[in-house]
Amino acid sequence: QMTQSPSTLSASVGDRVTITCRASQSITTSLAWYQQKPGKAPHVLIYKASNLEGGVPSRFSGSGSGTEFTLTISSLQPDDSATFYCQQYDTYPWTFGQGTKVEIK
Amino acid sequence: EMQLVESGGLVVHPGGSLRLSCAVSGFTLNDYTMYWVRQAPGKGLEWVSLINWDGDDTYYSDSVKARFTISRDNSKKSLYLEMNSLRTEDTALYYCARGAVPRTWGGYFDLWGPGTLVTVSS
Repeated sequence: QMTQSPSTLSASVGDRVTITCRASQSITTSLAWYQQKPGKAPHVLIYKASNLEGGVPSRFSGSGSGTEFTLTISSLQPDDSATFYCQQYDTYPWTFGQGTKVEIK
Repeated sequence: EMQLVESGGLVVHPGGSLRLSCAVSGFTLNDYTMYWVRQAPGKGLEWVSLINWDGDDTYYSDSVKARFTISRDNSKKSLYLEMNSLRTEDTALYYCARGAVPRTWGGYFDLWGPGTLVTVSS
């Protein structure tokens, strides 16, 4: 089971934003982060906990291992308004966090 | 351009059946494990099923086990999801997605379709 926090956050352009994802048991580094905008499919930002997917802006970064993980946006941009999900792929069944909605103030 | 396009979503009565399809283009389907992921209206993402690259292995979430069947036809560049005994709680946007690493399973999803909407309602 994956638990994300917070469920929503509101921040200003330029702010540093951190989202946390906790696993109920160790998943080593088998964790991905996705961004989903309204009416669109999710797309991957980070895989293997800290690897940036090709084409993703460098303001996104991931860290963690075992049971605790973070997604950081170093300088929030207007285009980052979206819902973010973590997903573990260490153990069947593959599970997602409940999502964090990021709003721009 | 690599692309996935789902089809087959409809309004169906509880207890009914439906077959979803996912058409693949721009890459070699038989190199990849493929997945179905769903999203109920206003809710989060839920993994539903996977089929490995040659179709020998399939897995299902507990919520759909024994009711849904995943299959693929690599020659037709297509993935399928046969859905039986549908329930109102199966109402969702169904996405097909590609496993990121060729010829492995248990990975993250690097390519998604736009989804097809299944509504189960009387």
